Amino acid sequence: AAGVIQSPRHLIKEKRETATLKCYPIPRHDTVYWYQQGPGQDPQFLISFYEKMQSDKGSIPDRFSAQQFSDYHSELNMSSLELGDSALYFCASSSDRGRGYTFGSGTRLTVV
Amino acid sequence: GDSVTQMEGPVTLSEEAFLTINCTYTATGYPSLFWYVQYPGEGLQLLLKATKADDKGSNKGFEATYRKETTSFHLEKGSVQVSDSAVYFCALSDPGGSARQLTFGSGTQLTVLP
Repeated sequence: AAGVIQSPRHLIKEKRETATLKCYPIPRHDTVYWYQQGPGQDPQFLISFYEKMQSDKGSIPDRFSAQQFSDYHSELNMSSLELGDSALYFCASSSDRGRGYTFGSGTRLTVV
Repeated sequence: GDSVTQMEGPVTLSEEAFLTINCTYTATGYPSLFWYVQYPGEGLQLLLKATKADDKGSNKGFEATYRKETTSFHLEKGSVQVSDSAVYFCALSDPGGSARQLTFGSGTQLTVLP
């Protein structure tokens, strides 16, 4: 069965650089969520999209932005990267209004 | 707002021991409850879920019952294996609310020794 695909799996960037993370949800899933998981931390909700419109916003810094495209894939854009942005970034998709989620394998971002 | 409180780890058990990881929640609506497992270096995998009171989720020998009266969703397994070593996250979502994202507990590291 198709899963949530994230790319890249690993990314190394320098401080102040920009990064773009991509997420391809399961076909026919109408909602995409982005989470950030710091080392030894629980995942923190960043932002979500429902039918390509921003739905909810969590603890997403102003330096980050995200969008969902017509083919339902989503991108998380991160600018002016800081060392503290080093984390695992997960995307999840859902089709049943908060009763089921499928997570991607994550993108591990390292800022040096 | 919604929140999840999990038993703090780490938890270390011998193989075949009984496991309980406590989870309690606070929610304004009628949440759905989940347990996720994360193996080292990997993503989050759904272990089990329950969407209404008194539902029991079960998978791979793990069980959890949605207890509305005690606002709990404790994870149990009768006989753990070394391969169960991982971090376990309790989570909730509020499907009837305006925000349907997951709220996670802080995670519990489980190590099972042979």
